[in-house]
Amino acid sequence: QAVVTQEPSLTVSPGGTVTLTCGSSTGAVTSGHFPYWMQQKPGQAPMTLIYDVNIKHSWTPARFSGSLLGGKAALTLSGALPEDEADYYCLLYYNRIRVFGGGTKLTVL
Amino acid sequence: QVQLVESGGGVVQPGRSLTLSCAASGFSFSSYGMHWVRQAPGKGLEWVALIWSDGSYKYYGASVTGRFTISRDNSKNTLSLQMNSLRVEDTALYYCARGGNGGPDFESWGQGILVTVSS
Repeated sequence: QAVVTQEPSLTVSPGGTVTLTCGSSTGAVTSGHFPYWMQQKPGQAPMTLIYDVNIKHSWTPARFSGSLLGGKAALTLSGALPEDEADYYCLLYYNRIRVFGGGTKLTVL
Repeated sequence: QVQLVESGGGVVQPGRSLTLSCAASGFSFSSYGMHWVRQAPGKGLEWVALIWSDGSYKYYGASVTGRFTISRDNSKNTLSLQMNSLRVEDTALYYCARGGNGGPDFESWGQGILVTVSS
């Protein structure tokens, strides 16, 4: 089974910009992996922010954006707020199989 | 609104079986694929299984293939996960999540149900 890699932790200052990345052990991440980004806060179920690389749900704050960057999927947060402190997970499709990354713990400090 | 409510969790001994259920409401259940996702205590998310809307296709993560079976009853709006040969490492919070129907996966999630495998 493929392994999906994320930064274990990142820190961003309030109002700052940070980019989280999502790589694949099988090679470059492409649109064919349909990258998803989920946010999870303590004690809560995950919530999908981005799907299919860069498509936002109606509830996704505008400060979040998705892209492909250097062979990886990327989630960029511009203008970080304290409430953005959470765990972020990417998910990739491998044909019909889905694989989550290990998650990035984002600290806003 | 969409509601997904998991049930059937608890404490079970290694090697035993357990079946989880997910009751769905607020949408046309038979039109959507459904997923199970789990999260071990203090760990990340792990995709477990997917079943198509009509139950015709089923897919599993590597760590549960051959031991877990996903199924659904569209007449009862219920998703199930039969877990056999349980291991200590299957201890986790198990979520059901709605799949896509020409749209995105994982748009809605349940609150999760805890399964503890321990002797």
